[in-house]
Amino acid sequence: GNSVTQMEGPVTLSEEAFLTINCTYTATGYPSLFWYVQYPGEGLQLLLKATKADDKGSNKGFEATYRKETTSFHLEKGSVQVSDSAVYFCASDRGSTLGRLYFGRGTQLTVWP
Amino acid sequence: GAGVSQSPSNKVTEKGKDVELRCDPISGHTALYWYRQSLGQGLEFLIYFQGNSAPDKSGLPSDRFSAERTGGSVSTLTIQRTQQEDSAVYLCASSSTDSNQPQHFGDGTRLSIL
Repeated sequence: GNSVTQMEGPVTLSEEAFLTINCTYTATGYPSLFWYVQYPGEGLQLLLKATKADDKGSNKGFEATYRKETTSFHLEKGSVQVSDSAVYFCASDRGSTLGRLYFGRGTQLTVWP
Repeated sequence: GAGVSQSPSNKVTEKGKDVELRCDPISGHTALYWYRQSLGQGLEFLIYFQGNSAPDKSGLPSDRFSAERTGGSVSTLTIQRTQQEDSAVYLCASSSTDSNQPQHFGDGTRLSIL
């Protein structure tokens, strides 16, 4: 079956530090992969996505590359800001446009000035 | 509106009561999803609608949970005889059927069972 496993944290960093949040997936097909972010008191927002192997999704300085050989989609940012403090969720679909998403447990990121 | 709208934003009720949660998807989105977010459980899928039919309701945790969608738009999630373990944030998402379009989430309904 399909599942997503991500580093749970919490992760605490100083401003301008490098961020990596690990995410791996299991899937029977060829899923699209997503990172969603949830800021305090808000709903989930799509941060970035990749639809096939070797694609790189990027947004707001965050990047993640779809690695089929390691079934991974790790989230990285070179220099985090206080405003990046949020919960980050890795997710996959079933390989078709429609249907449920499979989410990781979420990683709480706190960035200190 | 521009985004997915959920109501109420907060609901507090007594154990044993029935509750109804509402979701207004983005206009034109034919797919609608319900998820539940609770401490220690992460994000759980509940049910998926395509139009008014539900091809995947495998995530509904018990027969106390039901959902419907009318007119291919608004959806309601009903929980009967609520239990304390039903306390969670219930999230609704919608998406179009165009390829590679992501799910857009509402802000959720925070349900607290006393």
